[in-house]
Amino acid sequence: GAVVSQHPSWVICKSGTSVKIECRSLDFQATTMFWYRQFPKQSLMLMATSNEGSKATYEQGVEKDKFLINHASLTLSTLTVTSAHPEDSSFYICSAPTSGRAGDTQYFGPGTRLTVL
Amino acid sequence: DAKTTQPTSMDCAEGRAANLPCNHSTISGNEYVYWYRQIHSQGPQYIIHGLKNNETNEMASLIITEDRKSSTLILPHATLRDTAVYYCIVKDRRALTFGSGTRLQVQP
Repeated sequence: GAVVSQHPSWVICKSGTSVKIECRSLDFQATTMFWYRQFPKQSLMLMATSNEGSKATYEQGVEKDKFLINHASLTLSTLTVTSAHPEDSSFYICSAPTSGRAGDTQYFGPGTRLTVL
Repeated sequence: DAKTTQPTSMDCAEGRAANLPCNHSTISGNEYVYWYRQIHSQGPQYIIHGLKNNETNEMASLIITEDRKSSTLILPHATLRDTAVYYCIVKDRRALTFGSGTRLQVQP
C-alpha cells in the first residue's frame, strides 16, 4: 500500500515551547491530509483537516491558534503545537487519502509521540 | 457518517480463523465499510474496505450482508502478530471516525 511518513517519531520538549510535526505522503500526492490525536487507552480523535492551498478546518474544541497546520505542498503537511503544555502530551497521527473520492483508501503515518515536561 | 457497533474484545487461537463482527444498521447507500487495525503505539494499518460486494485481499476477507447493515472481517489464519485493536468504520468522503474497536487477542 501507499506510504505515509511522520517526523519525528517522538519528541520531548519543555512547557511553553513549540513543536513541529511533519507528515509526508511518499508515493502519492494528497490535496487533503488529516491530523488525529490519541490519548492513552483511548481511540483516535480527529483534530483537523489539512487542505493544500487553503486553510485547515478544525474540529469542534480544537484551538486553531494552538495547533497550526500548514499544507505546504501536495506531499507535505505540518502540525505545529504552539506553547505546548503537559496536557498536550499525546500520540499525534496523520493520514492521507489516495484520491479524496468516495471509496478511496486512507493511509496513516506511524505517529509522533509528544511528551511535554 | 454512520455509527458502528463492535464487541469490546475477542480471543482467537493461533492458526484459527478470526471472525470480527460489526453492526452498521444506519449505513447509507454511498458509505463504504472500512477495516483498520492498530497495534500498540503504532499508526492504524489499512486492512480492507468494500461497498456491497464481498472483498478479499492478502490480509483478510470482508463479508458484507445483503442489506449492508452488518459485516464481518475474517482473518483466515490468525497469528500472534494479529493481536491488535480492530476498527470497523463507515464513511463516504470525509475523514475516518474511529470508535472503540475490538481488541483481538490471539492466543498461542
